[in-house]
Amino acid sequence: AQSVTQLDSHVSVSEGTPVLLRCNYSSSYSPSLFWYVQHPNKGLQLLLKYTSAATLVKGINGFEAEFKKSETSFHLTKPSAHMSDAAEYFCVVSSSGNTPLVFGKGTRLSVIA
Amino acid sequence: NAGVTQTPKFRVLKTGQSMTLLCAQDMNHEYMYWYRQDPGMGLRLIHYSVGEGTTAKGEVPDGYNVSRLKKQNFLLGLESAAPSQTSVYFCASSYSQGDREEDEQYFGPGTRLTVT
Repeated sequence: AQSVTQLDSHVSVSEGTPVLLRCNYSSSYSPSLFWYVQHPNKGLQLLLKYTSAATLVKGINGFEAEFKKSETSFHLTKPSAHMSDAAEYFCVVSSSGNTPLVFGKGTRLSVIA
Repeated sequence: NAGVTQTPKFRVLKTGQSMTLLCAQDMNHEYMYWYRQDPGMGLRLIHYSVGEGTTAKGEVPDGYNVSRLKKQNFLLGLESAAPSQTSVYFCASSYSQGDREEDEQYFGPGTRLTVT
C-alpha cells in the first residue's frame, strides 16, 4: 500500500522569503513522486516529478524538491516566494507503473506582501 | 488543442436526481480518470479507464458509474444524487500510467456539483 502525508495544511510566508512544503511518503516499492499546484478555481498543474533519476528535481517557476529515501521525504522548496505562488500544493505518490496516483490532502500556501 | 475539457462547469441537483458529467480529451491518451476534491481531503480517485471500453474502480466508487465508449470521452454518472456527493469533480488523462515523461496526468478545469 502507498500513502502520502503533507505535514502542514497551511503555510504562510512573506514575499521574497523561502518556501518549504513538507511531504512524507510510504510505499512498498520504489516510488514515483510528484508535486502538483492548484491555483484558485483552476485545475491541477504538474510542478515537478521524481522518477528514480536525480534525487534533486527541478520544476517550473523556480520550485525544486529533494527525494530522501532514508527519511521517506520529498519536500518542496523555493528560495524566494512570489505573490503568484499563493495556491494549493499536492504531494502525490505512485508505487509502480500500473497503480493510480495517491494524493496528499494538500498544503495551502499564502504569500504576504 | 483544447487538452482536457469538462462539461458542465457548474450544476445544482436535488437529492435523487441523476446526471452525467462529460470529460473529453484531444491528446489521444489511453488513460482517463475521475477524481473528486473535498476540503481537507485532497483528490480521491473515483474510477479510471486504461483504454476504450474498459473501466476500473478507484478509492471511492460507490454511487458513481462510468463509461468509456470512445477513446476521447469518459463519462461519470450519478444515478441518484446524494448531498454527500457535493464536491468538485476533476477529470484527467494520460498517455500511460508510470514514471515516464509521457505519463503525466493532464487535468480538466473541474465541475462544481452541489446536491441539495
